[in-house]
Amino acid sequence: GAVVSQHPSRVICKSGTSVKIECRSLDFQATTMFWYRQFPKQSLMLMATSNEGSKATYEQGVEKDKFLINHASLTLSTLTVTSAHPEDSSFYICSATSPRDGYGYTFGSGTRLTVV
Amino acid sequence: QQQVKQSPQSLIVQKGGISIINCAYENTAFDYFPWYQQFPGKGPALLIAIRPDVSEKKEGRFTISFNKSAKQFSLHIMDSQPGDSATYFCAASMKTSGSRLTFGEGTQLTVNP
Repeated sequence: GAVVSQHPSRVICKSGTSVKIECRSLDFQATTMFWYRQFPKQSLMLMATSNEGSKATYEQGVEKDKFLINHASLTLSTLTVTSAHPEDSSFYICSATSPRDGYGYTFGSGTRLTVV
Repeated sequence: QQQVKQSPQSLIVQKGGISIINCAYENTAFDYFPWYQQFPGKGPALLIAIRPDVSEKKEGRFTISFNKSAKQFSLHIMDSQPGDSATYFCAASMKTSGSRLTFGEGTQLTVNP
């Protein structure tokens, strides 16, 4: 089945620094990738949708200059949290979809970001 | 409307019992209804999904019941096991390239031994 690899699984960074999270589709070409944020005991909140080779579409209220998304190839998307602050601490999850997969959604294992 | 409403928020079931989680949607353009299982610190994993052309789908102990006229669908877990203890999310989307998933609020299931 379709596999999405996300790393790192955990990262701790200092306030003011930037952190990059990678999301790779291992055995399929992901035409669209999604980035979510999840707070404890809450549902997944869509942050942005990215299509290969084009700019990401951000959800209302998500700062595009703070959460930089790059989808440079059909197998790789990255989320960079710039100038991180403690309030950015959260669980970030990527998801990928492909027409070949019948538009099913495959999720990465998530990244726990802690900003200290 | 893009919302998907899920209930209950939490559920406690005895081992061997039936767990039932319900969802309701408003957007009649939705045509893909998956259920996801999520363990702490992990990403969601697809459990089972249904399209609106069928009213029920069963895979092992997991069954989705779908009521198109009522715009409701539910997950039934038969013979619930302690290993089923997790958070369950229903979701809905339209079968088009790049279409987003709309998630329910989640149900925390605890199966007591």
